[in-house]
Amino acid sequence: RKEVEQDPGPFNVPEGATVAFNCTYSNSASQSFFWYRQDCRKEPKLLMSVYSSGNEDGRFTAQLNRASQYISLLIRDSKLSDSATYLCVVPASGGYNKLIFGAGTRLAVHP
Amino acid sequence: SQTIHQWPATLVQPVGSPLSLECTVEGTSNPNLYWYRQAAGRGLQLLFYSVGIGQISSEVPQNLSASRPQDRQFILSSKKLLLSDSGFYLCAWSVGEGYTFGSGTRLTVV
Repeated sequence: RKEVEQDPGPFNVPEGATVAFNCTYSNSASQSFFWYRQDCRKEPKLLMSVYSSGNEDGRFTAQLNRASQYISLLIRDSKLSDSATYLCVVPASGGYNKLIFGAGTRLAVHP
Repeated sequence: SQTIHQWPATLVQPVGSPLSLECTVEGTSNPNLYWYRQAAGRGLQLLFYSVGIGQISSEVPQNLSASRPQDRQFILSSKKLLLSDSGFYLCAWSVGEGYTFGSGTRLTVV
């Protein structure tokens, strides 16, 4: 299994839809996880941290399933501005806060 | 406030030319600093990280090197660029358990 795997998409959804992305990881010792958002030709920006079982922030919900080693991101009531690539991020082995980034899932929200 | 600066924003360089990309942080001391590269349509690859002045760890063998001459300065260099060095270079520093990225340098080697 790759260290981090994501469905590349694209996910094409209408405004107002609910969409979910999954991410699997291989290091069972990982404790904290992140979702980053990357707009086209821009730097990634932290969207959410995921600790213990999950986290919710407005329309965004991140869940963690340690037994199955996957993380999900749910976006409710999609907006046009949600169109971006969403990167799943897990800690790398060896410490020093090194992170491994998934290749990303592309979301396109249309009117 | 804590900020990270990266320059230049874009760069077009011929094969065989040298490279120097600079990253500086403000508002913190002794940060962990990282250089990542993102090839077109690909994920981010960790190139180097540094936990202090003069301390550099390389994650993958490559045509690049890094240096940290000051606490808040991180430099990515190459003596001779290859076509395969093209990509989006991102500097980051760790804030708690996440990263803040600089705005990146888009390098095209021609």
